[in-house]
Amino acid sequence: DGGITQSPKYLFRKEGQNVTLSCEQNLNHDAMYWYRQDPGQGLRLIYYSQIVNDFQKGDIAEGYSVSREKKESFPLTVTSAQKNPTAFYLCASSIVDGGADEKLFFGSGTQLSVL
Amino acid sequence: AQSVTQLDSQVPVFEEAPVELRCNYSSSVSVYLFWYVQYPNQGLQLLLKYLSGSTLVKGINGFEAEFNKSQTSFHLRKPSVHISDTAEYFCAVSFTGGGNKLTFGTGTQLKVEL
Repeated sequence: DGGITQSPKYLFRKEGQNVTLSCEQNLNHDAMYWYRQDPGQGLRLIYYSQIVNDFQKGDIAEGYSVSREKKESFPLTVTSAQKNPTAFYLCASSIVDGGADEKLFFGSGTQLSVL
Repeated sequence: AQSVTQLDSQVPVFEEAPVELRCNYSSSVSVYLFWYVQYPNQGLQLLLKYLSGSTLVKGINGFEAEFNKSQTSFHLRKPSVHISDTAEYFCAVSFTGGGNKLTFGTGTQLKVEL
């Protein structure tokens, strides 16, 4: 079945540690996105990528980094500079960026917590 | 800049009763409007979207929404809810030329009780 796979489902980070969240899609979508979800705040865009080897900052990119070396993969690294990383992280994809009417397909999320 | 307001953070309702989840938006340009649903510990899935044309949009699971340009609203309705509709619902907006970067509301938790 086609879809978006996020792993791990739960992740714990120690102080000063960088952690990487995985996102893989087999939908052959061009665009991929990372959102952060906090209770009562909805979803906020961290980074997005329209094409391989290119990505742009979203609204809350500080303390995060991404790469897009392959079309199907868009990993997110939460660095030690992110002082409040505890949140639910959602990866999404869409067929072609620039199409504002295109729907997003979401993964099932990763819950990151600080030890 | 675009913004989305969901005034109700929680909406309790009895099974088989009707429900309306409110969404208002603000934008200086034409927008596309979406409703997504999130079941516990899962990602979001699209319920319905308004792009153009008829202002009444029908989606999955018996939901519908009406676009009201004068009131800048896109309220979600269902005439008779089921216990399985318990979930969080997000209204979102995108705009022409802005790519597919959605601006989400803060969500409304719908709790259906027996």
